[in-house]
Amino acid sequence: ELKVEQNPLFLSMQEGKNYTIYCNYSTTSDRLYWYRQDPGKSLESLFVLLSNGAVKQEGRLMASLDTKARLSTLHITAAVHDLSATYFCAVDMNRDDKIIFGKGTRLHILP
Amino acid sequence: DADVTQTPRNRITKTGKRIMLECSQTKGHDRMYWYRQDPGLGLRLIYYSFDVKDINKGEISDGYSVSRQAQAKFSLSLESAIPNQTALYFCATSRNNEQFFGPGTRLTVL
Repeated sequence: ELKVEQNPLFLSMQEGKNYTIYCNYSTTSDRLYWYRQDPGKSLESLFVLLSNGAVKQEGRLMASLDTKARLSTLHITAAVHDLSATYFCAVDMNRDDKIIFGKGTRLHILP
Repeated sequence: DADVTQTPRNRITKTGKRIMLECSQTKGHDRMYWYRQDPGLGLRLIYYSFDVKDINKGEISDGYSVSRQAQAKFSLSLESAIPNQTALYFCATSRNNEQFFGPGTRLTVL
């Protein structure tokens, strides 16, 4: 059974600081996704990582995938208040678009 | 216009009632999904469909049923709603490794 674990589940940080959210998963997969959800809103796709060593960056966010360690990271550089949201990672184990989500990391950035 | 729409957006119902949540998409995708979101639990897959004739159970299908009326429509039914089905429900479509989510339906079962 595929399990996806994120940590931390809650993070409060100051603007301007750097931090990393971790996503571990329990079985082999080379498809990992990061989503953002604002309160009361739907999920917005941030990154799709499809191979070992994949790295993608958008603004202050950078995601990477290590399939051997079964680990993905979402790194936040010089955080700003607008990045406050809940971030989910999700894994597709069988390459069939059936993805399993982590519980989410609620990020609160203090101005 | 939104590519993935859900109706209703909010619904309050009583225990034992039958309720249907509807999802429509204009993206032309074959694959559609229903998830529920509970605080602190992330999203859990209820049912998914890879085409009109293909329906599959997800992680938590008990108490739910689905119907894929057409490529563009995928409905979720609660035959006899119970309070622990109170949640936020999302429909999604996918193609080429990416999922697209609807706006969500907030369901409350009293």
